[in-house]
Amino acid sequence: EDQVTQSPEALRLQEGESSSLNCSYTVSGLRGLFWYRQDPGKGPEFLFTLYSAGEEKEKERLKATLTKKESFLHITAPKPEDSATYLCAVREYSSASKIIFGSGTRLSIRP
Amino acid sequence: GAGVSQSPRYKVAKRGQDVALRCDPISGHVSLFWYQQALGQGPEFLTYFQNEAQLDKSGLPSDRFFAERPEGSVSTLKIQRTQQEDSAVYLCASSLEGRENTEAFFGQGTRLTVV
Repeated sequence: EDQVTQSPEALRLQEGESSSLNCSYTVSGLRGLFWYRQDPGKGPEFLFTLYSAGEEKEKERLKATLTKKESFLHITAPKPEDSATYLCAVREYSSASKIIFGSGTRLSIRP
Repeated sequence: GAGVSQSPRYKVAKRGQDVALRCDPISGHVSLFWYQQALGQGPEFLTYFQNEAQLDKSGLPSDRFFAERPEGSVSTLKIQRTQQEDSAVYLCASSLEGRENTEAFFGQGTRLTVV
């Protein structure tokens, strides 16, 4: 069965302290791996799609990378406004594939 | 509209009442998803439409839950005889589909509280 596991569950960093969030996945054939940001009381906001191992994408202080078994979301010199829950999700390669989410990592950046 | 729109944003229902939650996807998006999200958890899949066809409803928790998308655009999630365990945020998402357009864009959600 397809599965997405994120770690750590929660992460507290000092402003400027870089770190990485992990997403491990098992899927028969990967159609896409997605990263979302979710703020309290809001829907998930799309960040990145990764399609194949070795691919990388960047947006401001965030960089997402992908291997055959996991993805990392690297955050460089974070600011308090980067505090949010970061969700990883995968979509299998089939004709009618749902998107499966992990439980998320709650990131808190202290000023 | 520019994004996925859900209504109402908040709904309080008495136990046993029927509710209907509406989703307006991004114009032209082929796929539509419904998710249920409990506090502190990731979204849990409920059902998936491609145009008007409901291709996967494996995540619907019981036969009290019903979803439709009759014209391939607006979708409604209906919950009959609501129970306290149905209290959650219900999220709708849509996707353009295509080789490199597989991601889904979410609405703000409907927070359902059953009392």
